[in-house]
Amino acid sequence: QITLKESGPTLVKPTQTLTLTCSFSGFSFSTSGVAVGWIRQPPGQALEWLALIYWDDDERYSPSLKSRLSLFKDTSKNQVVLTMTNMDPVDTATYYCVKGIRAFTIWGQGTMVTVS
Amino acid sequence: DIVMTQSPLSLPVTPGEPASISCRSNQSLLHSNGYNYLEWYLQKPGQSPQLLIFLGSDRASGVPDRFRGRGSGTHFTLEISRVEAEDFAVYYCMQSLKTPYTFGQGTKLDI
Repeated sequence: QITLKESGPTLVKPTQTLTLTCSFSGFSFSTSGVAVGWIRQPPGQALEWLALIYWDDDERYSPSLKSRLSLFKDTSKNQVVLTMTNMDPVDTATYYCVKGIRAFTIWGQGTMVTVS
Repeated sequence: DIVMTQSPLSLPVTPGEPASISCRSNQSLLHSNGYNYLEWYLQKPGQSPQLLIFLGSDRASGVPDRFRGRGSGTHFTLEISRVEAEDFAVYYCMQSLKTPYTFGQGTKLDI
């Protein structure tokens, strides 16, 4: 069974850096074709794709947020870490961790982050 | 970025009746390999989104056959043959042809 779970702070102050961890099980970055990404959803709003990291260390970012985002994958721990710098109240959202290169077949439960 | 536009944004439906949601992109989502990189997701209240349709028309594992994805290029539709109570939720289309992947605004299916 494949699962993903997000963890991190629920509240951050403006200008601070957000660090979220996606811990997963049931698959590994040692396998070709694996990718883990992040998607967010402000309260009552639509989904927004943020970033994706592949088994081969390739990374893709939303151009509008690229200067603020970075991804790190820890293959030994089955984790992906997302950092977002210079947080602003408009970044308040539920952040989801997802598995997949294109179609996201598995989603984490999401973690709500408030910037205030 | 590829812009995705869904319509309608709200769709009143009676249980047992059919429903159809439109999704348009400002660039063709048809890859040279013949596949359309268009997905449909369903988000029930308080839950994470779940994949319904990938590659424009392929149902994800466990998705009932009352859900059907159609279209190619820049115009796609999600059809529900007979809406059931559990289908009342928000539906999103997403293009995965090029990063940044982009979503439509969402369509709320309600009674």
